[in-house]
Amino acid sequence: KQEVTQIPAALSVPEGENLVLNCSFTDSAIYNLQWFRQDPGKGLTSLLLIQSSQREQTSGRLNASLDKSSGRSTLYIAASQPGDSATYLCAVHAGGTSYGKLTFGQGTILTVHP
Amino acid sequence: EPEVTQTPSHQVTQMGQEVILRCVPISNHLYFYWYRQILGQKVEFLVSFYNNEISEKSEIFDDQFSVERPDGSNFTLKIRSTKLEDSAMYFCARTGGSPLHFGNGTRLTVT
Repeated sequence: KQEVTQIPAALSVPEGENLVLNCSFTDSAIYNLQWFRQDPGKGLTSLLLIQSSQREQTSGRLNASLDKSSGRSTLYIAASQPGDSATYLCAVHAGGTSYGKLTFGQGTILTVHP
Repeated sequence: EPEVTQTPSHQVTQMGQEVILRCVPISNHLYFYWYRQILGQKVEFLVSFYNNEISEKSEIFDDQFSVERPDGSNFTLKIRSTKLEDSAMYFCARTGGSPLHFGNGTRLTVT
């Protein structure tokens, strides 16, 4: 059974810092990995998706990497801003007959203070 | 791509009552999903729905739950007899490929 773990559980940084969020998964047979942002009481906003054949994806100040063989992904946020404060969720997708079934980590709560 | 829209945003119901949660409107999408998130816990997969049939369901999705597309566009999740532990955020998601796109959720409170 796939297990997804995110470290750290919470992170508080001053504005402007570069930071790294970590995600690990136990079964490397994944189809893709998706990073989400969740604001309090809100839905999930997709940030980046990395296919299993890819090593990284970039969108603006966000860069996600994937090391499938070691079961790890990182989300790098450059020049953090207070508006980046949210919970960041990592989810792995098994694919195949389980298309669309994501297994989520518990999230990293990020606070960026001015 | 348009976001997934869910109604209502918040539903309060008494234990034992039936509730129906909706995704509206959706067109030309084949894959739909329901997930839930109990407060303070991980987001959990409930069920996937493809081509008007359940393709996979989790152990959470027992006989109290059902899904359908009654009019070909709305996608609904029904809980027949709610329990206190059904209190959670319920998210509808869709994909036409990758990635999955989630709605803003319905907060269900069972009292």
